[in-house]
Amino acid sequence: GAVVSQHPSRVICKSGTSVKIECRSLDFQATTMFWYRQFPKQSLMLMATSNEGSKATYEQGVEKDKFLINHASLTLSTLTVTSAHPEDSSFYICSARTPGASEAFFGQGTRLTVV
Amino acid sequence: GENVGLHLPTLSVQEGDNSIINCAYSNSASDYFIWYKQESGKGPQFIIDIRSNMDKRQGQRVTVLLNKTVKHLSLQIAATQPGDSAVYFCAENIGRGSTLGRLYFGRGTQLTVWP
Repeated sequence: GAVVSQHPSRVICKSGTSVKIECRSLDFQATTMFWYRQFPKQSLMLMATSNEGSKATYEQGVEKDKFLINHASLTLSTLTVTSAHPEDSSFYICSARTPGASEAFFGQGTRLTVV
Repeated sequence: GENVGLHLPTLSVQEGDNSIINCAYSNSASDYFIWYKQESGKGPQFIIDIRSNMDKRQGQRVTVLLNKTVKHLSLQIAATQPGDSAVYFCAENIGRGSTLGRLYFGRGTQLTVWP
């Protein structure tokens, strides 16, 4: 199956700083990627849809200035958490869909801890 | 349906027994559903999917049933093994066209298999 890789897998940052998370499709081109957030013992919550070459579409309640998404190439989308605060600590997961298919493949997730 | 941010329900079974995990969805227009398995600290792993024009689909040791009348999905795992212990999520595809793969996740169920 298609492989989606996230980097880093874990990151700790200080409150007020920004952190960037990368999502790469390794063996296919992904015109569309998706970003999710998951708090402990809870479900995945869709944050935004990342479209190559255009602006991301954010779900209701997700601050676009807080979570900056860039999808500059067909294999890479980045999520930047700006001015991070402890409440932003979470597990961030991306997924990517192969063109023409319905199935989306997930990355291994990034554990963000803001101290 | 939309995740509600509640803590996960649990299911405990003995090795060798069959497991049934249930899920309700909210959007009667959803036409594609997926079951994912998530192990601790990892991204979701695809198990099986089903389209709305079907009511049953079988895979290796797993069967998904779809009841559109009551908007209910179930995942049946035959001869459950300790390696099946994980959190299981159903997801409904709410995307169309270029946003196929945009998923709303259900609450999830923590499955624990005892030897």
